[in-house]
Amino acid sequence: AQSVTQLGSHVSVSEGALVLLRCNYSSSVPPYLFWYVQYPNQGLQLLLKYTSAATLVKGINGFEAEFKKSETSFHLTKPSAHMSDAAEYFCAVISNRDDKIIFGKGTRLHILP
Amino acid sequence: ETGVTQSPTHLIKTRGQQVTLRCSSQSGHNTVSWYQQALGQGPQFIFQYYREEENGRGNFPPRFSGLQFPNYSSELNVNALELDDSALYLCASRVSGTRGETQYFGPGTRLLVL
Repeated sequence: AQSVTQLGSHVSVSEGALVLLRCNYSSSVPPYLFWYVQYPNQGLQLLLKYTSAATLVKGINGFEAEFKKSETSFHLTKPSAHMSDAAEYFCAVISNRDDKIIFGKGTRLHILP
Repeated sequence: ETGVTQSPTHLIKTRGQQVTLRCSSQSGHNTVSWYQQALGQGPQFIFQYYREEENGRGNFPPRFSGLQFPNYSSELNVNALELDDSALYLCASRVSGTRGETQYFGPGTRLLVL
């Protein structure tokens, strides 16, 4: 069965610093992987998705993620953090059994001035 | 904006009551899924409807039920509410159900059960 594990429930970075949010996946078949962002009191917004076309995926708001099969990882990065990036970030994988989205537990990103 | 709307935004119920949550998908989106997000957790899959038929279900009891209508709207019904049903309920829609297809989430309905 597919699953994702997000390392670190809270991550704090200074404004202008590199953002790195970690996600490892488990899948017996080539996975479809996603990163979603959730701002306070809002729904989920898709940042980017990996569907096997290219290992480096660029998303919205300057975020990107790299699919590394050898490490079973799909870490999310942004070169320079902005105060508006403060939110909850969810890594997710599509179940190959019934196509549901399986979410990680989330990482709350704090941006320090 | 995803084009997916949900109503109401907030709701307070008491234990044992019944609740209906509504979702309006984008035109042309034949597949809708519902998720429950408890506080501090990631969303959990409840069920999915494709062309008005349930075609996938997560680990939720039968008192969680749904409907999908031809006008791209859908409902989530929960009977005999329990305190643990307090959560943010999200719907997500997409066109056809192709694996890996982007799902568009609504803003959610926050349910509090007292």
